[in-house]
Amino acid sequence: EVQLVESGGGLVKPGGSLRLSCAASGFTFSSYTMNWVRQAPGKGLEWVSSIKSGSTYIYYADSVKGRFTISRDNAKNSLYLQMNSLRAEDTAVYYCARDHGAYDSDYWGQGTLVTVSS
Amino acid sequence: QSALTQPASVSGSPGQSITISCTGTSSDVGGHNYVSWYQQYPGKAPKLMIYEVSNRPSGVSNRFSASKSGNTASLTISGLQAEDEADYYCSSKRSSSTLGIFGGGTKLTVL
Repeated sequence: EVQLVESGGGLVKPGGSLRLSCAASGFTFSSYTMNWVRQAPGKGLEWVSSIKSGSTYIYYADSVKGRFTISRDNAKNSLYLQMNSLRAEDTAVYYCARDHGAYDSDYWGQGTLVTVSS
Repeated sequence: QSALTQPASVSGSPGQSITISCTGTSSDVGGHNYVSWYQQYPGKAPKLMIYEVSNRPSGVSNRFSASKSGNTASLTISGLQAEDEADYYCSSKRSSSTLGIFGGGTKLTVL
């Protein structure tokens, strides 16, 4: 069974940093592109970042470019999102998702809430 | 970049059919066949319901179907059931980016 479990969310002050993790199991993690998608409270979904299986290609939304860094450790079946210079508008539930290959995601974690507030 | 346009809400009675539209441009929805649909219950993660315009992943009910015409994609749910009450999001590739773009979401109410 495919499982994705996010962790690392919490309350952080504006300008602060946070590192999210996503532990994957039930599939060959190293073979898949992985995505981060976020959802602000009461709002819609937003693509955040994507990383190819071998970390050869990495993509970011304009809204996080230069502040967020996606990475993965295929040996540990883990995906990460380092978030720096956090802003109030980064407040959201962050989902880790397995890429389905057609600009979509077929498995999602339960999400981890990041709250940026003073 | 603006999200794809979806109606904020739709409703229908059990057994009826409803259609949710997703309107974009020739740079996203109309430019290729990478349109997908997700179902999301409150407090839960999204679930992929349709990919590549009209394909259903294994396990998704055949009451869910989808299509595309020009710059507008559509999701149809037939034989509405109470369990279909959820938020629905469309998503598409966009030519100007390597990441996709989502619609604003549609709340489906089963009366």
